[in-house]
Formats: sequence, C-alpha cells, structure tokens
Amino acid sequence: QKEVEQNSGPLSVPEGAIASLNCTYSDRGSQSFFWYRQYSGKSPELIMFIYSNGDKEDGRFTAQLNKASQYVSLLIRDSQPSDSATYLCAVKIDYNKLIFGAGTRLAVHP
Amino acid sequence: EAGVTQSPTHLIKTRGQQATLRCSPISGHTSVYWYQQALGLGLQFLLWYDEGEERNRGNFPPRFSGRQFPNYSSELNVNALELEDSALYLCASSLLDQNTEAFFGQGTRLTVV
Repeated sequence: QKEVEQNSGPLSVPEGAIASLNCTYSDRGSQSFFWYRQYSGKSPELIMFIYSNGDKEDGRFTAQLNKASQYVSLLIRDSQPSDSATYLCAVKIDYNKLIFGAGTRLAVHP
Repeated sequence: EAGVTQSPTHLIKTRGQQATLRCSPISGHTSVYWYQQALGLGLQFLLWYDEGEERNRGNFPPRFSGRQFPNYSSELNVNALELEDSALYLCASSLLDQNTEAFFGQGTRLTVV
C-alpha cells in the first residue's frame, strides 16, 4: 500500500465550479498534511497546510481533514483556468519526513 | 526574506560522470529534503537532513548521497550517472517541527546524455 494515495485524474471541471481533490494516507501517526500546486516544469507551491481535524479555509481554498478516516481533501471554489495544474498531497511521517502522493491533474475549462 | 535557493538551475552531464547539486534553506530552517521528479511523474523522496545528520533515506541506490553543512545548506551528489537519472531535483526546507510547512526551491534540471 502506498503511503499517500491520490487519484491521478485528470479531473476536469468547468470554470466557476467547485473542484474537489482527495487524498488518503496509511500512517495513522501522521500529524500534518499539505497541499501543493505544481505547474508543468515548475517547483511545487504550498497552498494549504492543516493539522487539526475539520476544515481550514483560505480564500477560495478549503482543506478538510479526517484523521479517523485517514483522509484529507482540498476544495477549490469558483475554479479558474489558472487553477489548472497538478495538486500534490503531502504528509509528514516519522515526525518530520515529508512524503508525497503522485498528484492529481486538474483541468479547468472555460 | 530569501526563499530556498538551488544551484545550478540546469546541469548537463555525460553518463558515468558525477553531478553535485546545491541547496540553501530558508534562514532558520534546519531540515532539508531532496526529491527526484522524473518527467511526468511524482516526487520521489531521496533524502532528509537535519542538524547535519541524515535522518531518512528513500529507496535509491548508494550512488545517490549528500550532506548537510553547519550552516544547514546541503549538497546532493549523484555518482556514476545513468540516463534515467535525468530529472528535476527539488530541495525543500522546514523547521524541525511536524506542524510547520516546507517550502521548495526552484529545482535543478539534470540532463544525462
């Protein structure tokens, strides 16, 4: 079982819709969770960080964490074509080791 | 405040040669992570350093090695380069605290010919 799993996509949504990205992780001891956005050929950019159960909102982005279900999600409201990118879910395990899922490609079409 | 910086931006090497990649973390960050990202693929964990020590290593052969200096900057060395080592190598830094973020440098594009 992979430590961090994501659907590779592509996830295609129309402009203005809500994009929902999901991630599951295997280590029950994981404490902190991250969402990065990566445009093709560029380095990952941190967009959300969550470590408490529940929701965390920042602008159009909402991260949701459910540690009992070992599940973390990212919602993007009012999706824009500029949101088209690969979204990487990351988890800190073994205290501070940072590992990544394979990423979900999001395509927002006008 | 300066972010994570990596050098060089691009590197072209011949098969069998050695490559050295460098990373300077954000000021105050003691943890440095290295990842390999082959074209179209995800980030593969290579190495994690903190306070000058190797804390964890990914599933890579021993010809991938590195070190962290007293100023927390880090080097990644790849010996006996193979064509499949061609990839984007990314460095990230963080505080040694599981509840803090990690930030990436712009990466080094290594091409092995």
